[in-house]
Amino acid sequence: GAVVSQHPSWVICKSGTSVKIECRSLDFQATTMFWYRQFPKQSLMLMATSNEGSKATYEQGVEKDKFLINHASLTLSTLTVTSAHPEDSSFYICSARVFTHNEKLFFGSGTQLSVL
Amino acid sequence: QKEVEQNSGPLSVPEGAIASLNCTYSDRGSQSFFWYRQYSGKSPELIMSIYSNGDKEDGRFTAQLNKASQYVSLLIRDSQPSDSATYLCAVKTSYDKVIFGPGTSLSVIP
Repeated sequence: GAVVSQHPSWVICKSGTSVKIECRSLDFQATTMFWYRQFPKQSLMLMATSNEGSKATYEQGVEKDKFLINHASLTLSTLTVTSAHPEDSSFYICSARVFTHNEKLFFGSGTQLSVL
Repeated sequence: QKEVEQNSGPLSVPEGAIASLNCTYSDRGSQSFFWYRQYSGKSPELIMSIYSNGDKEDGRFTAQLNKASQYVSLLIRDSQPSDSATYLCAVKTSYDKVIFGPGTSLSVIP
């Protein structure tokens, strides 16, 4: 399957700081990437859809000024959690849409964010 | 009504048995359906995708789709302890988003 690289795997930061998470498609071009958040023992919740060269589309209840998404190239999307607070602690996962005969989603390895 | 629902777990089956996982969805216009496996602390891993009514088999896994009933299932034959994980049903909706169900935790008992 397609390879999606996500960094960092985990990050600990102080409350009030910003954290950037990178998601790269290594062997294909991804015009669309999705960002999900997952709290312990819960399912993945879609945060936003990131399209190359345009503004991201955020799901209801997700603050676009807090979760900044940039998709400046066909292989890189970034999520920046600004002014992080303890309630932002979660597992953040990116995924890329791949069209090979049919559409599939491949996921990055995820980023565990802990805000102290 | 939640967009994607799955049978509540946890589900326990003995090694070698068939595990049956079910999923229903609310958006009748959905066209693409996926089953993912997720181990604790890891990101989801695609097991199977299915796009048309009927059965699709891949090794020990069989996905079944019935769009009229808005139902998709996953059967795991000859279950192994390594199959113990949370199984996530995902649906690409008519508004071009992939929505996940709450997941079903499966335990395969040796």
